[in-house]
Amino acid sequence: SQTIHQWPATLVQPVGSPLSLECTVEGTSNPNLYWYRQAAGRGLQLLFYSVGIGQISSEVPQNLSASRPQDRQFILSSKKLLLSDSGFYLCAWSLLGGGQPQHFGDGTRLSIL
Amino acid sequence: QKEVEQDPGPLSVPEGAIVSLNCTYSNSAFQYFMWYRQYSRKGPELLMYTYSSGNKEDGRFTAQVDKSSKYISLFIRDSQPSDSATYLCAMGSGGSNYKLTFGKGTLLTVNP
Repeated sequence: SQTIHQWPATLVQPVGSPLSLECTVEGTSNPNLYWYRQAAGRGLQLLFYSVGIGQISSEVPQNLSASRPQDRQFILSSKKLLLSDSGFYLCAWSLLGGGQPQHFGDGTRLSIL
Repeated sequence: QKEVEQDPGPLSVPEGAIVSLNCTYSNSAFQYFMWYRQYSRKGPELLMYTYSSGNKEDGRFTAQVDKSSKYISLFIRDSQPSDSATYLCAMGSGGSNYKLTFGKGTLLTVNP
């Protein structure tokens, strides 16, 4: 069966510091990968998605970037965190093809001080 | 008009009640419909996945899609305190479009 791992679960960072969140998927090949941010009352906001190694699509202009160095590894990064980057970050995967359900990790709660 | 509308609640019911959760949508291209359950401080968990109109049942859960009305529902029978969570609907159009559109979620509390 497929599993998705996301870490760390909680992170507290100072403003201006760098960020690296990692997500890995096991038990499947060539998945679509996604990064979301979830804010209270605002629902899930898609940040990035990837259909293959090195292929990243950005949904919103922001202070963050994503990379996919391996088939089942997805990384969310920032060079300098802003206060507004605080939130709950979720990684998800799906099988190739449109309309497929997405499967989520347990998220990283990021607090910026 | 937002693509997906979902009443945020909160919804509070006694244990054993039948719960009805609903979403409406405006994009007629949506063909795939999902319901997710999200416990506090956890990621969303896929509950139901349906394609096109009709009903799908899985244990105490029934998903219903009415494409003519652009309306989907999730029914929970014999609700349990463990069903207390936020429920999100999601929809996709398929084809080359990998993205899903999510509702903002309904917070459900089942009281023992």
